[in-house]
Amino acid sequence: GDSVTQMEGPVTLSEEACLTINCTYTATGYPSLFWYVQYPGEGLQLLLKATKADDKGSNKGFEATYRKETTSFHLEKGSVQVSDSAVYFCALSPLNQAGTALIFGKGTTLSVSS
Amino acid sequence: GAGVSQSPSNKVTEKGKDVELRCDPISGHTALYWYRQRLGQGLEFLIYFQGNSAPDKSGLPSDRFSAERTGESVSTLTIQRTQQEDSAVYLCASSLNRAVTDTQYFGPGTRLTVL
Repeated sequence: GDSVTQMEGPVTLSEEACLTINCTYTATGYPSLFWYVQYPGEGLQLLLKATKADDKGSNKGFEATYRKETTSFHLEKGSVQVSDSAVYFCALSPLNQAGTALIFGKGTTLSVSS
Repeated sequence: GAGVSQSPSNKVTEKGKDVELRCDPISGHTALYWYRQRLGQGLEFLIYFQGNSAPDKSGLPSDRFSAERTGESVSTLTIQRTQQEDSAVYLCASSLNRAVTDTQYFGPGTRLTVL
């Protein structure tokens, strides 16, 4: 079945370091891809999304490109801040149609120190 | 505007008791989802409601789990005869459900602990 695999954490970085969180997926058809973020004490929030191959989602300095050839959607940021400390979840919508439950990875905890 | 709200935020119960969890979706959102997040795991889909259509119950782990939703309003997730493995954070999400690009908005979750 469809699945999402993301790198295990925790990821610990210093402020202004570069970030990459790897995410690969297995899906039949053409899923939509998402990154959600969960800040401490808060609910899940959509960070960015991409709905077709080669689309790039971006938000708050984070980017991810939908790579069909490598079935990947890696999350990147050039310079992280302490406020980026959170748990990041990669997810896909398997049938690329409305009303489909998301399939999530296990989450990657990012800790940024000053 | 108000986001998705869930209650209670925390629930501690004894094994064998029934629990009821509540979700208030964003007004106007026709789709409502329940997910479960066990410690160290990703989110698992439980059940999906779309308007007045029959719900998609394919993710419910056992017949001890059930959920209801009246129209496009509040939903309740009921777990009967709780077991320790039911301990998890239960998350509710809602969306407009007009297109695949519609964002699912999540509530803060209910943390259930079964002793």
